Amino acid sequence: QQPVQSPQAVILREGEDAVINCSSSKALYSVHWYRQKHGEAPVFLMILLKGGEQKGHEKISASFNEKKQQSSLYLTASQLSYSGTYFCGTLKTSYDKVIFGPGTSLSVIP
Amino acid sequence: DTAVSQTPKYLVTQMGNDKSIKCEQNLGHDTMYWYKQDSKKFLKIMFSYNNKELIINETVPNRFSPKSPDKAHLNLHINSLELGDSAVYFCASSRRGSGGQETQYFGPGTRLLVL
Repeated sequence: QQPVQSPQAVILREGEDAVINCSSSKALYSVHWYRQKHGEAPVFLMILLKGGEQKGHEKISASFNEKKQQSSLYLTASQLSYSGTYFCGTLKTSYDKVIFGPGTSLSVIP
Repeated sequence: DTAVSQTPKYLVTQMGNDKSIKCEQNLGHDTMYWYKQDSKKFLKIMFSYNNKELIINETVPNRFSPKSPDKAHLNLHINSLELGDSAVYFCASSRRGSGGQETQYFGPGTRLLVL
């Protein structure tokens, strides 16, 4: 079952912050986050495992609340290079396939 | 140096034709995947192979047939192409399993347009 992402699209000015949410109706083992720039392949950002962990990657971080079956991606002090479509991918078990959400389009403008 | 490569990058063809897309990874990964991304950017898994064995076969028309000659290669053959097959097809690979803790590395994609 495909996870739900919100918002569908967001426009930011450089330096602003954004939060992208990913939620599932099923219990989750892990959540993956990928970014895809226009015309390019999806690129890995981070994986979060159940246990409520939080991870960071420069100014991009994420959290995973397994009880709420949701993950959030935090982008702080956004840069033009953050523009793209952000996909979360969820797995119910460690050997499950990744089911990707519909994506959140993020545009950062000067 | 490219980790996951696909050929061709673009494919324009007529309805009813048969075509193949090739994928190779030089990362030493055990698992490879085919994804289809439609015009709405929905990224959907089609197949997954682990060490040349098919482990995931989603509800895909049997006109699509994957083949893995060795664990570094995964090709996709499509028979009797239809308009609805137009999409971007991504190959990906990961170290092992179906990816619970494994990063997937995507190829650059093959843009298929069926006329």
